Amino acid sequence: DIQMTQSPSSLSASVGDRVTITCRASLSVSSFLNWYQLKPGKAPKLIIYAASSLQSGVPPRFSGGGSGTDFSLTISSLQPEDFATYYCQQSYSIPFTFGPGTKVDIK
Amino acid sequence: QITLKESGPTLVKPTQTLTLTCSFSGFSLRDTGVGVGWIRQPPGKALEWLAVMYWDEDNRYSPSLKNRLSITKDTSKNQVVLVMTNMDPLDTATYYCVHSNRLVVSLPFDYWGQGTQVTVSS
Repeated sequence: DIQMTQSPSSLSASVGDRVTITCRASLSVSSFLNWYQLKPGKAPKLIIYAASSLQSGVPPRFSGGGSGTDFSLTISSLQPEDFATYYCQQSYSIPFTFGPGTKVDIK
Repeated sequence: QITLKESGPTLVKPTQTLTLTCSFSGFSLRDTGVGVGWIRQPPGKALEWLAVMYWDEDNRYSPSLKNRLSITKDTSKNQVVLVMTNMDPLDTATYYCVHSNRLVVSLPFDYWGQGTQVTVSS
């Protein structure tokens, strides 16, 4: 199985801050990397697919980058609705695996 | 508009079989590329992919759970059913139904249900 790690595991930030979350795969996953946003009581949401493609309807303050084993998710100016937990996920090989998550909360 | 909704028991006993139904709208499992899958999240833990069924009846399972899982469809009812046998308290989790499209390069799970909580306890 391909193991996914994320850093940091949690961060505190203020509205307007630039936030970057990193994700690392134990083997190359090419660009088969997706990012999701989870909030309690709400359906999870796809944010970025194929490492850097913005899902339809997602604000452009979100961006993704990387390929191979190292990836990043950046929120250019954090908004109140962005406080959530973010997960990366590889779809290069089965079983599809997720990172442990990064919780973004209010400073 | 694509929507998915999970249904099933909230409480099952150890060794019992869990049956979860995903009812969806806004697409058909006859549509080329479409897949419907299941993902779970135990309390306080990360997401875990379980299984996916594609429009061409290509079913894929998590190897660690393959012996316990079965995914089937009722195309006329727009439903996908996940069966998990020999339930254990470690299977306690929120179970999500997801839409995927194999024609999108990274096979993302682009639509999710709200999830259904399943507790395994005697």
